[in-house]
Amino acid sequence: NAGVTQTPKFQVLKTGQSMTLQCAQDMNHEYMSWYRQDPGMGLRLIHYSVGAGITDQGEVPNGYNVSRSTTEDFPLRLLSAAPSQTSVYFCASSKLQGLTGELFFGEGSRLTVL
Amino acid sequence: AQRVTQPEKLLSVFKGAPVELKCNYSYSGSPELFWYVQYSRQRLQLLLRHISRESIKGFTADLNKGETSFHLKKPFAQEEDSAMYYCALSGGGSNYKLTFGKGTLLTVNP
Repeated sequence: NAGVTQTPKFQVLKTGQSMTLQCAQDMNHEYMSWYRQDPGMGLRLIHYSVGAGITDQGEVPNGYNVSRSTTEDFPLRLLSAAPSQTSVYFCASSKLQGLTGELFFGEGSRLTVL
Repeated sequence: AQRVTQPEKLLSVFKGAPVELKCNYSYSGSPELFWYVQYSRQRLQLLLRHISRESIKGFTADLNKGETSFHLKKPFAQEEDSAMYYCALSGGGSNYKLTFGKGTLLTVNP
């Protein structure tokens, strides 16, 4: 059972480049989300989804796009990377129980934008 | 708006000493509170949640609605407790946003 899988683990981009962070889960979880982790800022919610075809913004959505075409996958797209998007990104999923259930995290993707 | 405040960025204690990691929250309804932990080189994982009223690895946390707090406590800290701890809040129901605090890095010294 792989749980939540994120790729790539590390990525270096130049300002203005685009890329997609991949997230897949094999637990049949309805809820999926993306967080960024920055020193002194904790974890901040970027986007989340409560099911295929349904997405919504979190606390810091600007500069990021998401889509949810399947239950398993929830990619995060950076259309034009900026140095302010240098961060560690975490994908997480959960059964949809009003989030009383456990949120399962991926290992993280470390992104550097030069 | 929902907010979680962890006032201490760093907390250092000696092995065997009691430890308390503070968490205060702001939410107008009835929140659901959690503690998540990130050990070195491991994934962020759930430590405990207030609705379960459980003790995990010797840690407990009580929701105090009057003081809007959910402090994490352990009577005797162990070196393996050294980690980053995050308090988190969900509004419950159809509120699917899980808001995290900024985290407290706990170091337990031998």
